[in-house]
Amino acid sequence: DQQVKQNSPSLSVQEGRISILNCDYTNSMFDYFLWYKKYPAEGPTFLISISSIKDKNEDGRFTVFLNKSAKHLSLHIVPSQPGDSAVYFCAASGLGGTSYGKLTFGQGTILTVHP
Amino acid sequence: NAGVMQNPRHLVRRRGQEARLRCSPVKGHSHVYWYRQLPEEGLKFMVYLQKENIIDESGMPKERFSAEFPKEGPSILRIQQVVRGDSAAYFCASSVSSGEKLFFGSGTQLSVL
Repeated sequence: DQQVKQNSPSLSVQEGRISILNCDYTNSMFDYFLWYKKYPAEGPTFLISISSIKDKNEDGRFTVFLNKSAKHLSLHIVPSQPGDSAVYFCAASGLGGTSYGKLTFGQGTILTVHP
Repeated sequence: NAGVMQNPRHLVRRRGQEARLRCSPVKGHSHVYWYRQLPEEGLKFMVYLQKENIIDESGMPKERFSAEFPKEGPSILRIQQVVRGDSAAYFCASSVSSGEKLFFGSGTQLSVL
């Protein structure tokens, strides 16, 4: 049972344009969401997060949007840079911002940013 | 590098052998998590430990898998009598306290022949 889904296995964008990565979840108990970035042969690194009490969180070039009614979140990267090329994982936690690190991950989306 | 250290990076075992994966958390972190990533899948939670205690092992297979985080030394994930289906990347993460951001290690790639 895949409770967090990233339906696009890959995404290709041109440098300078916007990258939009999508994530859907099914469990309404999730109330804290995170995005991780992963390069080959490395572990995931935290990118940005959002609590369910918000619908938007911004950090530099990265913005995460949350639509609770649709159980959908998205990560916007603008402008995209070649160094952003990596696998992006959406993750969710069920016990709020104070939850321990029991995260449910999506399958990942491979982002390729072309120069 | 004061990050999460995992070793070995690559481990090859034959069916029936034992695999021991080690994880040293970030200095000062007392919370350790193990995740497994099967090919073409996302990471899946296995176990959450604090020093000398298993807090949540709901993601651990019931047999052959065990984990510990002793008072001194690294956390160990132990897989007995490995089978081909155990081939995966195993990631360790640590945090300074419950609810804080996770820092992941680079993982151990286990290959079972």
